[in-house]
Amino acid sequence: QKEVEQDPGPLSVPEGAIVSLNCTYSNSAFQYFMWYRQYSRKGPELLMYTYSSGNKEDGRFTAQVDKSSKYISLFIRDSQPSDSATYLCAMSEKAAGNKLTFGGGTRVLVKP
Amino acid sequence: GAVVSQHPSRVICKSGTSVKIECRSLDFQATTMFWYRQFPKQSLMLMATSNEGSKATYEQGVEKDKFLINHASLTLSTLTVTSAHPEDSSFYICSAEGAGPGGEKLFFGSGTQLSVL
Repeated sequence: QKEVEQDPGPLSVPEGAIVSLNCTYSNSAFQYFMWYRQYSRKGPELLMYTYSSGNKEDGRFTAQVDKSSKYISLFIRDSQPSDSATYLCAMSEKAAGNKLTFGGGTRVLVKP
Repeated sequence: GAVVSQHPSRVICKSGTSVKIECRSLDFQATTMFWYRQFPKQSLMLMATSNEGSKATYEQGVEKDKFLINHASLTLSTLTVTSAHPEDSSFYICSAEGAGPGGEKLFFGSGTQLSVL
């Protein structure tokens, strides 16, 4: 069993729809949770960074963390074709000096 | 936000040659940098952790004599793939620890696509 599980997709939605992504994990020591967007053959771009359980909103993006269930989510409202990319969840035990453990990524396609 | 520059973005080389990839933190000092490898349609796999002024820490299964890492300054880490072979063809990405406005810590370079013929 992988330490972080993420549905690979592809997830296809019409433009304007809400994109819902999630990851589950097994390591209860994870405290920092991140979502990255990666376009093909590019480095990951940080979208959301959260600590412990709770919700965080930034523009069209909302991240949720439920540590009791070991489950994190990312919601993208009013999706655009430019949101088509692979979305990676990542998590770590410490804030600094610590490696990230990534999910496998979910490929998202927003159709105009 | 913090910027990490990685180059070259793409390199093609013959089997048996060595290739050096550079990772620079442009507007912050990075005590720690990380090197990842990504195969097509797969996630990032950590190869090694690079600490300025000390030896890199390699993940299990990564050959340290093949993937040489040097972190000589607080803004530069290099990864050298020695005696590259076709199976080393992959997308290599570095990241550096900085301080973002939202508390975020890790920033990624744009990646290097290595193709070994």
